[in-house]
Amino acid sequence: GQQLNQSPQSMFIQEGEDVSMNCTSSSIFNTWLWYKQEPGEGPVLLIALYKAGELTSNGRLTAQFGITRKDSFLNISASIPSDVGIYFCAGRSANTGKLIFGQGTTLQVKP
Amino acid sequence: GAVVSQHPSRVICKSGTSVKIECRSLDFQATTMFWYRQFPKQSLMLMATSNEGSKATYEQGVEKDKFLINHASLTLSTLTVTSAHPEDSSFYICSAQPGQGRLGGNTIYFGEGSWLTVV
Repeated sequence: GQQLNQSPQSMFIQEGEDVSMNCTSSSIFNTWLWYKQEPGEGPVLLIALYKAGELTSNGRLTAQFGITRKDSFLNISASIPSDVGIYFCAGRSANTGKLIFGQGTTLQVKP
Repeated sequence: GAVVSQHPSRVICKSGTSVKIECRSLDFQATTMFWYRQFPKQSLMLMATSNEGSKATYEQGVEKDKFLINHASLTLSTLTVTSAHPEDSSFYICSAQPGQGRLGGNTIYFGEGSWLTVV
């Protein structure tokens, strides 16, 4: 099925460092969502973006909806060990209305 | 707390049998629910869109006779894996979107997922 291009695929960082990941597509989306998934559990919503250019924060997390509506990024500041997990972007297609997922970014944080 | 609940969280079944997974929206009504499948270390792949009161819409490559979806009420959708085989072993996740109300109309919430192991 169709997927977004999410990068990087994995990151291994030191506690306290900032993290940035992004998703791009050739298609236009009218909603961008960022999820975190831990092993054996369903995705948990972190941030939802509904308008092009929108910048939204949730604690140490900040995400933006790209102006072109074809991309989004997620930043995590001052990472901590509990940030470990897989982060997925998801875009809701403006054409089909379906939610399409990126391949995920696996984050590991070294204490 | 969870707004979308799945049951069972884990199930083991014998090859050839059928398994039903339930997805419930707890705080809202959902005319549309979605079923995803996730293999280890891979992303979520949409299987089908479940529509209350009508037939589900399946993605290309997903066998509708094998993965039966029933959306009998505005808070419940079920996925039945029929004649299960070991290759059907996977993590199945549902999601739902509130239409209106305090949770917001555009956000999609996911269930906790159901691990299916076919032996």
